[in-house]
Amino acid sequence: EDQVTQSPEALRLQEGESSSLNCSYTVSGLRGLFWYRQDPGKGPEFLFTLYSAGEEKEKERLKATLTKKESFLHITAPKPEDSATYLCAVLQGAQKLVFGQGTRLTINP
Amino acid sequence: DTAVSQTPKYLVTQMGNDKSIKCEQNLGHDTMYWYKQDSKKFLKIMFSYNNKELIINETVPNRFSPKSPDKAHLNLHINSLELGDSAVYFCASSQFFGTGGYYGYTFGSGTRLTVV
Repeated sequence: EDQVTQSPEALRLQEGESSSLNCSYTVSGLRGLFWYRQDPGKGPEFLFTLYSAGEEKEKERLKATLTKKESFLHITAPKPEDSATYLCAVLQGAQKLVFGQGTRLTINP
Repeated sequence: DTAVSQTPKYLVTQMGNDKSIKCEQNLGHDTMYWYKQDSKKFLKIMFSYNNKELIINETVPNRFSPKSPDKAHLNLHINSLELGDSAVYFCASSQFFGTGGYYGYTFGSGTRLTVV
């Protein structure tokens, strides 16, 4: 069965301190890996979709990369407003997203 | 101009009651979903509909019944509510594109259901 594991569960950084979040997956035939941001009391907000190993996408201070077994979400010089839970999910079959448990990121000013 | 909207945002009800959650999307997507997020924040799919046709029906008690009157709406009706049904329920939508992938997988803001 497809599985998605995110690490660490929680990460606390100082403002400006760059780091990476990890998403390991086991899936037969990756059809897409998604990154979402979720703020408290809100729904997941789409960030990126990656489709093949070697692919990279960037948005402001975030950069997502993909290998055959894992994806990284790199955060460069984060700001307090980047604090959120970051969710990783793989597309199973044609429609179903299988999510990891998320990484709760806190950026201290 | 909310893309995927759910109502109500909060729902508090007693055990044994029947309740409904409504979802509407204005993105023109052809597929809609219900996901459940438990207390540990795990998001798990419950149902998906493509053009009003049920496509995915995960192992969900048959007290949960989705209904899609048209491709822009997907409602969730829950009978005989139990304490364990307390969770946040998210509606989502996406658009199929020919090579087997989906884009625009967009979530609503959620309905927090509390059964007392």
